[in-house]
Amino acid sequence: GAGVSQSPSNKVTEKGKDVELRCDPISGHTALYWYRQSLGQGLEFLIYFQGNSAPDKSGLPSDRFSAERTGGSVSTLTIQRTQQEDSAVYLCASSLDDGGYGYTFGSGTRLTVV
Amino acid sequence: SQQGEEDPQALSIQEGENATMNCSYKTSINNLQWYRQNSGRGLVHLILIRSNEREKHSGRLRVTLDTSKKSSSLLITASRAADTASYFCATRSGGSYIPTFGRGTSLIVHP
Repeated sequence: GAGVSQSPSNKVTEKGKDVELRCDPISGHTALYWYRQSLGQGLEFLIYFQGNSAPDKSGLPSDRFSAERTGGSVSTLTIQRTQQEDSAVYLCASSLDDGGYGYTFGSGTRLTVV
Repeated sequence: SQQGEEDPQALSIQEGENATMNCSYKTSINNLQWYRQNSGRGLVHLILIRSNEREKHSGRLRVTLDTSKKSSSLLITASRAADTASYFCATRSGGSYIPTFGRGTSLIVHP
């Protein structure tokens, strides 16, 4: 597609429920990144996918968080048993190869856990 | 800990003035990038400067990089109200493929 697409744009969920966030990167971009941004804060790295390599999950805050990338394209970030501290904007970005030409971000999913 | 940190945290200026924000980082980098974020949503890539470059221009934007001081600056000349946004620097250190972002500079341009 023309840009990075994220869905849903907003999600309100009850504490304890599971949520799935979707990212559709730019076609041909081999690298995909997930970040989390709490209100007024910087971007917190979550997970990185590059081609068919094993993902770098070093930023995932707990085992309630997981992500997959099917067919080297669409990625889903899953948060199980959501907590109020999970409330944030979840941003996805993609890039050609290793990002030497910059990263393209989606508009994010604003997650609110009530 | 953050690799890049922007300074100041907040900047308020009048339309037509220049805005300068700085980014400091800790380890050697391959490149440094500046991004803009409106309303807490997606970031938009502004400009990339490589470690062997010292200055780069794009329209009203001027970026400098001083690798000896591990710092970069972003200058927006003749600012407009539409420049109101948060600005972030992103760095990739030598052995990593993961860009890290600072907390950003919140710029407000008053009409």
